[in-house]
Amino acid sequence: AQSVSQHNHHVILSEAASLELGCNYSYGGTVNLFWYVQYPGQHLQLLLKYFSGDPLVKGIKGFEAEFIKSKFSFNLRKPSVQWSDTAEYFCAVKEFNKFYFGSGTKLNVKP
Amino acid sequence: SQTIHQWPATLVQPVGSPLSLECTVEGTSNPNLYWYRQAAGRGLQLLFYSVGIGQISSEVPQNLSASRPQDRQFILSSKKLLLSDSGFYLCAWSETLAGAYNEQFFGPGTRLTVL
Repeated sequence: AQSVSQHNHHVILSEAASLELGCNYSYGGTVNLFWYVQYPGQHLQLLLKYFSGDPLVKGIKGFEAEFIKSKFSFNLRKPSVQWSDTAEYFCAVKEFNKFYFGSGTKLNVKP
Repeated sequence: SQTIHQWPATLVQPVGSPLSLECTVEGTSNPNLYWYRQAAGRGLQLLFYSVGIGQISSEVPQNLSASRPQDRQFILSSKKLLLSDSGFYLCAWSETLAGAYNEQFFGPGTRLTVL
């Protein structure tokens, strides 16, 4: 089974700072990659996904992620964060019918 | 459009009591269905998934069981709750066909407290 690592458990940034959250999965093969976000008191929702093609994928709210196959990584980025980005972010890997999630990164953006 | 419902939203149960959490999906047919437990700082742990009626795969040995009596209904159960069963339980669904739209969609969750 896949193992997904998110190295940053808690990140604190000021508004307008740049964001990069790391995500690594344990082995290759045919995988689909996702980032989900959970805003306080809300459902988990999809930020972006990668299935094939261009390894740089763009999602909602200005987020993007880059798939680097050789590093088994799928890092999430945003050039300039806003206070409304305060949330918990989860990386996930889909293999066959199963989804494997990382432990999550709590992002706190100070106004 | 598709929607996913979970109930109850919160539940407080004594140790040793039974449990039944329900999840239903509307607006799709033959979805894959999933139960997760979300613990603070530990992400989402996959408990069960189902690719069809009566087909349940268990991911971790535990005090819980799952059933899928109807195509769009997924139930999480326990005969006797333990303190360690406390947590936030999420139901999710995804399309069964391979393709670009098979991400997961999550329900609102059930907060279970076992006392």
